[in-house]
Amino acid sequence: ILNVEQSPQSLHVQEGDSTNFTCSFPSSNFYALHWYRWETAKSPEALFVMTLNGDEKKKGRISATLNTKEGYSYLYIKGSQPEDSATYLCAFGRTTDSWGKLQFGAGTQVVVTP
Amino acid sequence: DAEITQSPRHKITETGRQVTLACHQTWNHNNMFWYRQDLGHGLRLIHYSYGVQDTNKGEVSDGYSVSRSNTEDLPLTLESAASSQTSVYFCASSPGLAEDYEQYFGPGTRLTVT
Repeated sequence: ILNVEQSPQSLHVQEGDSTNFTCSFPSSNFYALHWYRWETAKSPEALFVMTLNGDEKKKGRISATLNTKEGYSYLYIKGSQPEDSATYLCAFGRTTDSWGKLQFGAGTQVVVTP
Repeated sequence: DAEITQSPRHKITETGRQVTLACHQTWNHNNMFWYRQDLGHGLRLIHYSYGVQDTNKGEVSDGYSVSRSNTEDLPLTLESAASSQTSVYFCASSPGLAEDYEQYFGPGTRLTVT
């Protein structure tokens, strides 16, 4: 994989259901993997920054796992609520890039219906 | 509270005109970034800066320039606006040099070039 890919592009979830989606990134030269939450009409906000030696990250009902060897990260939302509706972006930082540069995926749009 | 602001929030301009988008942050972050967001592409890096008098090109820098005369501001200039530059522009800042520091995003500027 040369670029950062997110799947699915969008998903609809019933309130109370759990869901997960994927971020795939190049498996070489890994430095960090970011997850951002982006609500409509607002700006992206950081959820997690995951590094090579990091464990699973968790914030409330949202958690993320990382597999740098195979180049993917999962974001999980447990017991989805309408306020979880947002686009979730992942961004990849590689050791061979300039400091601080991130390559963003196109996002997974999550819609939680009551 | 520290923040990052962008102005204007909306701008309509004509092809060929020079346009400057402002970005101002009060966190005293050294690293600042400009992205454009287009459907299906996620966020793409235009320019970035590691500090005063430092500027670097991102992946989509053609037709854009930035200058960094102080820590707080990184204005983005479109030298001669083109319709292909119609987009939403986000400024971001980061407290650390490496990719394991999260980025803080401004509210965005929606630019339409007619």
